[in-house]
Amino acid sequence: GAVVSQHPSRVICKSGTSVKIECRSLDFQATTMFWYRQFPKQSLMLMATSNEGSKATYEQGVEKDKFLINHASLTLSTLTVTSAHPEDSSFYICSARGFSTAAQETQYFGPGTRLLVL
Amino acid sequence: QKEVEQDPGPLSVPEGAIVSLNCTYSNSAFQYFMWYRQYSRKGPELLMYTYSSGNKEDGRFTAQVDKSSKYISLFIRDSQPSDSATYLCAMVGNQFYFGTGTSLTVIP
Repeated sequence: GAVVSQHPSRVICKSGTSVKIECRSLDFQATTMFWYRQFPKQSLMLMATSNEGSKATYEQGVEKDKFLINHASLTLSTLTVTSAHPEDSSFYICSARGFSTAAQETQYFGPGTRLLVL
Repeated sequence: QKEVEQDPGPLSVPEGAIVSLNCTYSNSAFQYFMWYRQYSRKGPELLMYTYSSGNKEDGRFTAQVDKSSKYISLFIRDSQPSDSATYLCAMVGNQFYFGTGTSLTVIP
């Protein structure tokens, strides 16, 4: 099946610094990528949807100036958490929408990035 | 009303049991239906997808869709401790909608 990678898998940073997380679709072109956030034992929370070459669409309550999303190519999207604070500590998961081997559109998830802000 | 409803559990079963996971939905326009499995501290992985009413089997897993009742199920036969995870259903219409996930624990 299709593969989505994320880097880094884990990051620890000091409060006030910025952190960039990369999401790549490895063997398919993803015109749409999604960024989710997940707190322990809770469900996925969609943060934003990004389409290649255009501005991301943020869900209500998500600060677009704090969570910068860039979808520069059909295989790469980045999420930058600016001026991170301890409450931003979470599990961030990207997802890419593409076509399966059976030519059916589906959505593939990355392995996630665990962010800890001290 | 939420687009997709899924019982969050948690669900605990003994090893070897048959597990039934379910989701209901309200939008009759949904075309594709998927099940994802998410292990702790990992991203969700696609288990199965289907687009028609009826059953689809893959090893110990069977996905069932009943469009008339707007109900989908995932059955796991001969459940194993390694099946312990959170299972999310997903549905596709003009966009993707995910259930909140059901936490499953298979006890050895």
